[in-house]
Amino acid sequence: TQLLEQSPQFLSIQEGENLTVYCNSSSVFSSLQWYRQEPGEGPVLLVTVVTGGEVKKLKRLTFQFGDARKDSSLHITAAQPGDTGLYLCAGADSGGSNYKLTFGKGTLLTVNP
Amino acid sequence: DVKVTQSSRYLVKRTGEKVFLECVQDMDHENMFWYRQDPGLGLRLIYFSYDVKMKEKGDIPEGYSVSREKKERFSLILESASTNQTSMYLCASSRGLRLLYNSPLHFGNGTRLTVT
Repeated sequence: TQLLEQSPQFLSIQEGENLTVYCNSSSVFSSLQWYRQEPGEGPVLLVTVVTGGEVKKLKRLTFQFGDARKDSSLHITAAQPGDTGLYLCAGADSGGSNYKLTFGKGTLLTVNP
Repeated sequence: DVKVTQSSRYLVKRTGEKVFLECVQDMDHENMFWYRQDPGLGLRLIYFSYDVKMKEKGDIPEGYSVSREKKERFSLILESASTNQTSMYLCASSRGLRLLYNSPLHFGNGTRLTVT
């Protein structure tokens, strides 16, 4: 069974601060997705990373996929209250036909004004 | 935009009742999924379906069954609800025969089920 460990589990910061969230595994993934879930809603895809070492930017959010495709990070610059939510990483199995993702348990981010 | 609609936002049922959770997607997606989300445990896959009338067990199928008679609709059934099935249930859909990197999950807004 593949596992994805996310850290930290909880993060509470002030508006304007920078932060990094980590997603680690001992397994190799063919791709990795990041989702954000706001209270009362389902997760929404932010980005998918596919190539080892890949970096993608989405406004103030920077996503990186590790060279070995076992880990990923999400960096937020100058966090805003609207960034508050549960951040989930999810890996797609590289072992062949697979219809499911392995989800991390999430990082709950609170950005205080 | 893909829309995944879950029939109820909140549901309260009694122990032993048979419970139906309904999910409909409007983008002709092949794959549909049922997850439950619990604090500290994350999202856990219950069942998924990659075609009409096809279903596969996920990580925690015990106590659940599913039905997919039409491509757009995927139902989760709790045969005899128990208190440990109190949870947030999330339905999702995705395109394609395989879960490709360019085929993300589109989630509904969830059904919060309480079993008393």
